Amino acid sequence: SAVISQKPSRDICQRGTSLTIQCQVDSQVTMMFWYRQQPGQSLTLIATANQGSEATYESGFVIDKFPISRPNLTFSTLTVSNMSPEDSSIYLCSVDLPANTGELFFGEGSRLTVL
Amino acid sequence: EDQVTQSPEALRLQEGESSSLNCSYTVSGLRGLFWYRQDPGKGPEFLFTLYSAGEEKEKERLKATLTKKESFLHITAPKPEDSATYLCAVQAYRGSTLGRLYFGRGTQLTVWP
Repeated sequence: SAVISQKPSRDICQRGTSLTIQCQVDSQVTMMFWYRQQPGQSLTLIATANQGSEATYESGFVIDKFPISRPNLTFSTLTVSNMSPEDSSIYLCSVDLPANTGELFFGEGSRLTVL
Repeated sequence: EDQVTQSPEALRLQEGESSSLNCSYTVSGLRGLFWYRQDPGKGPEFLFTLYSAGEEKEKERLKATLTKKESFLHITAPKPEDSATYLCAVQAYRGSTLGRLYFGRGTQLTVWP
């Protein structure tokens, strides 16, 4: 199992600004996943973050909008850049332990509201 | 593209009233089907993985089953603490690697006393 801490838990942001979400895991993991959960929509994978390499982005998500850092095996950040109201959502960090099982552990999420 | 459809969107049950949630999927090369539970304000919590048609998994009042086209999450004699949103996800093989998980929109279950 894994314990995942995300910060901030919620924030209200102004249009055009950027916000960085932090994710800390209590064990070392190879891959960390960033998801977006919009009201009434399915949980959608934004990108996979591997330590020591560029993140891999899913279709519809680009690095300029959602830059990701992965400085070590227990930490990652997701930045939501130049925010618009359409970016209002819950952003979730997750890991799969054991690796490659699909059995994901999630943080509690960061709820962003963009005005 | 892989797709997951969950029904109903919302379900209200009286305590003790058993029922089932449905997850229909279309995927080429299914590797696994997953059920998660999500409480308000929390991240999803893993419940089950099913790998092949005919497989069943149980946990307390929950039992998950799998066919080639759908999965059911049966809830027997539910209690108010079973109230949550239940998410279904599928994962396929992509050549020699594993694809991403595709999630359904979930079924919001409310169990009232």
